[in-house]
Amino acid sequence: EDQVTQSPEALRLQEGESSSLNCSYTVSGLRGLFWYRQDPGKGPEFLFTLYSAGEEKEKERLKATLTKKESFLHITAPKPEDSATYLCAVPSNQGAQKLVFGQGTRLTINP
Amino acid sequence: KAGVTQTPRYLIKTRGQQVTLSCSPISGHRSVSWYQQTPGQGLQFLFEYFSETQRNKGNFPGRFSGRQFSNSRSEMNVSTLELGDSALYLCASSLTGGMDIQYFGAGTRLSVL
Repeated sequence: EDQVTQSPEALRLQEGESSSLNCSYTVSGLRGLFWYRQDPGKGPEFLFTLYSAGEEKEKERLKATLTKKESFLHITAPKPEDSATYLCAVPSNQGAQKLVFGQGTRLTINP
Repeated sequence: KAGVTQTPRYLIKTRGQQVTLSCSPISGHRSVSWYQQTPGQGLQFLFEYFSETQRNKGNFPGRFSGRQFSNSRSEMNVSTLELGDSALYLCASSLTGGMDIQYFGAGTRLSVL
């Protein structure tokens, strides 16, 4: 069964304190991995797609990386506006549009 | 370019009632997927429609159904509501499906009393 696990569940950082979020998955024949950001009361907002091991993508203070078993979302010198829940998802083997999501990491950046 | 629009934003229903939620995808997008989000289970896939045909379905009871119209707009229906159906229902659209990026709406918050 396709499964995605994210850690930690919650992370509290001081402004400027860099850290990483983890997303591990079990799915045969990985076709890619998605990262989303979700703010309270809103739908998930697309951040990155990673297609193969070794791939990296960056956007502002965020960098996503992918290995054969997990993905990391590195956040460098975060600001309070980076506070959100970060979700990763993989396409199911039953259909690429059927995304299997992790439970998310709730990130809080204190000023 | 307008994003994915879901209506209504909030709904309050009682057990046993039925409800219909609406989703208008981004212009030009033909694939629409629905997800249920709860604190305990997270985001779970309900179903996906493309060209008015259901292409994939998640592990939900038959009380959950959907459809897609020729203009790609989609509706989902939940019959005989149960307390456990209280959730945020999210719609996502993509160009044609597959590995296309799914763009989400703000969701409909359903409360079942």
